[in-house]
Amino acid sequence: EIVMTQSPATLSVSPGERATLSCRASESVSSNLAWYQQRPGQAPRLLIYGASTRATGIPARFSGSGSGTVFTLTISSLKSEDFAFYFCQQYNNWPPGTFGRGTKLEI
Amino acid sequence: EVQLLESGGGLVQPGGSLRLSCAASGFTFNSRALGWVRQGPGKGLEWVSTLSQNADATYYGESVEGRFSVSRDISTNIFYLQMNSLRAEDTAVYYCAVMGDFWGTIEGYMDVWGKGTTVTVSS
Repeated sequence: EIVMTQSPATLSVSPGERATLSCRASESVSSNLAWYQQRPGQAPRLLIYGASTRATGIPARFSGSGSGTVFTLTISSLKSEDFAFYFCQQYNNWPPGTFGRGTKLEI
Repeated sequence: EVQLLESGGGLVQPGGSLRLSCAASGFTFNSRALGWVRQGPGKGLEWVSTLSQNADATYYGESVEGRFSVSRDISTNIFYLQMNSLRAEDTAVYYCAVMGDFWGTIEGYMDVWGKGTTVTVSS
């Protein structure tokens, strides 16, 4: 099973700043990587798939990059509604398509 | 707008059964694969199962293989997860999701999610 490792576990930033979240795969997943946002008490929401393609309706301040084993989610100019949990998921080896444990983005 | 609404969660004893439902709207029901993902208390996300868009293939996570089954009713646009032989470790919020798609091929990410339904397995 491919293990997805996210870092840091918690990231503290201020509104208006840039946030950079990392996700590493235990083996290559090509570009078959997705990012999700989960606000407290809500369902996850797809942000990025194919490592860098924004899902429908996702603002341009969210961007994804990387391939192989190292991936990054960047949120430029943070807004208050961006403070949430973020999960990465590889689907190159699907099923099962494993998730990382998440990064909590806090103020 | 694609919408998914889960129901059927609740408290069940170990060894018991439960059937979750997911009412879908806003898209052609047999055009996309559908899946279930769960999130245990304080835990991360775990893919549970997927039904192909033609309902001719089913996929299950190792932890639920042989105990859970998925199906759908096209006449009512409802997607089901039948859970048998439930264990304490099945306790989680269960989300229904539309799977990613690339020219009719299932992509293993979850495009649209429902709000979830809570299953608690406890005596």
